[in-house]
Amino acid sequence: NAGVIQTPRHKVTGKGQEATLWCEPISGHSAVFWYRQTIVQGLEFLTYFRNQAPIDDSGMPKERFSAQMPNQSHSTLKIQSTQPQDSAVYLCASSSGTGGSQNTLYFGAGTRLSVL
Amino acid sequence: GDSVTQTEGQVTVSESKSLIINCTYSATSIAYPNLFWYVRYPGEGLQLLLKVITAGQKGSSRGFEATYNKETTSFHLQKASVQESDSAVYYCALSPLDTNAYKVIFGKGTHLHVLP
Repeated sequence: NAGVIQTPRHKVTGKGQEATLWCEPISGHSAVFWYRQTIVQGLEFLTYFRNQAPIDDSGMPKERFSAQMPNQSHSTLKIQSTQPQDSAVYLCASSSGTGGSQNTLYFGAGTRLSVL
Repeated sequence: GDSVTQTEGQVTVSESKSLIINCTYSATSIAYPNLFWYVRYPGEGLQLLLKVITAGQKGSSRGFEATYNKETTSFHLQKASVQESDSAVYYCALSPLDTNAYKVIFGKGTHLHVLP
């Protein structure tokens, strides 16, 4: 089991460019989460999917951020017209998705986005 | 909404001394959420340290303990004698118990430095 795989590990974009981040969850896990990590804000929840369906995107900046899960093996986070304040480490996590005590998150190594 | 508060951004402790990292929570969506401590060691991904799903119970792992106190809405992390290898960033987190909601809310994290 390779764990949650995130690509790329580092991405540098110019202001106004688009960035697409990829996540491959652990095989068999039905829930996928995206978080943003910064020194100031800590770990901010962005969005999550269960069985590929979007469940809660309350943390997503509405205008430029979007997330998809076209199949059970990967999810993408797209940021359009990137701004310097989007610079952060973006973390993807998956869980088995069953209720109660089974909602332990398994995190990927993250993608460090730098917007110049 | 639900939230987690960690009052110390950074804690420095000498090796073999005791440690306490404070965590309080506010859960408006559910009375008794699941509570977690996650840890990120240098160069590694974020991983679960311990979890407690029942109020009044204690969780333990790697010499760390945390007790779910519903009266004070606290989940402080403690260790009797820290080691240099415990240097890491520790995140307190909560998740609603509702079977349809697995969103995990994190505190801002506490960076632990253990001096040799």
